[in-house]
Amino acid sequence: EAGVAQSPRYKIIEKRQSVAFWCNPISGHATLYWYQQILGQGPKLLIQFQNNGVVDDSQLPKDRFSAERLKGVDSTLKIQPAKLEDSAVYLCASRLDWVSPLHFGNGTRLTVT
Amino acid sequence: AQSVTQLGSHVSVSEGALVLLRCNYSSSVPPYLFWYVQYPNQGLQLLLKYTSAATLVKGINGFEAEFKKSETSFHLTKPSAHMSDAAEYFCAVSPSGGGADGLTFGKGTHLIIQP
Repeated sequence: EAGVAQSPRYKIIEKRQSVAFWCNPISGHATLYWYQQILGQGPKLLIQFQNNGVVDDSQLPKDRFSAERLKGVDSTLKIQPAKLEDSAVYLCASRLDWVSPLHFGNGTRLTVT
Repeated sequence: AQSVTQLGSHVSVSEGALVLLRCNYSSSVPPYLFWYVQYPNQGLQLLLKYTSAATLVKGINGFEAEFKKSETSFHLTKPSAHMSDAAEYFCAVSPSGGGADGLTFGKGTHLIIQP
């Protein structure tokens, strides 16, 4: 089966600019997650979707981050405006159901200068 | 809230030697625990998971982990290290204990294999 697809793989922007990341989960996976992985740290959950509804966004900095999954399939994560501390790898993951493992994409590496 | 602590940000072993990566958890409910591996520029791949069945869990690539409630530990081991095992390893816990939500990860341990 095809894995979780993410694009772009790399992005370099200046602070205060906007950026968007895209994720296409494995077909049929109802649950989708966005994680932020800062260099030298473990991934931190930003938001969890179940189909097109938000299950958990308690760690999403809502003043600058937004995410949507309008049709319950692919998803976009946006940062506006970006700060230097947003430099990280943004990982998307999906799972079929709660007993199935998470499948991760290869991530988008964001550098904010 | 549940959390995990990985002891040692870097572990170096010789090829063929025992691999031991340490993870301790904090949980107010019976935890679901996981080990993931991350190769450079890739996403995370599940090695194994504990979901309250057998305390000794076998995973892929010859890895296994033992759940010890008395020690609140879930250490990852492999009898004989291979060069291909060099990667970043993350221990994770399901915050609510049920496995249905996003995971809370430790800071990771970088495994170095010396020839």
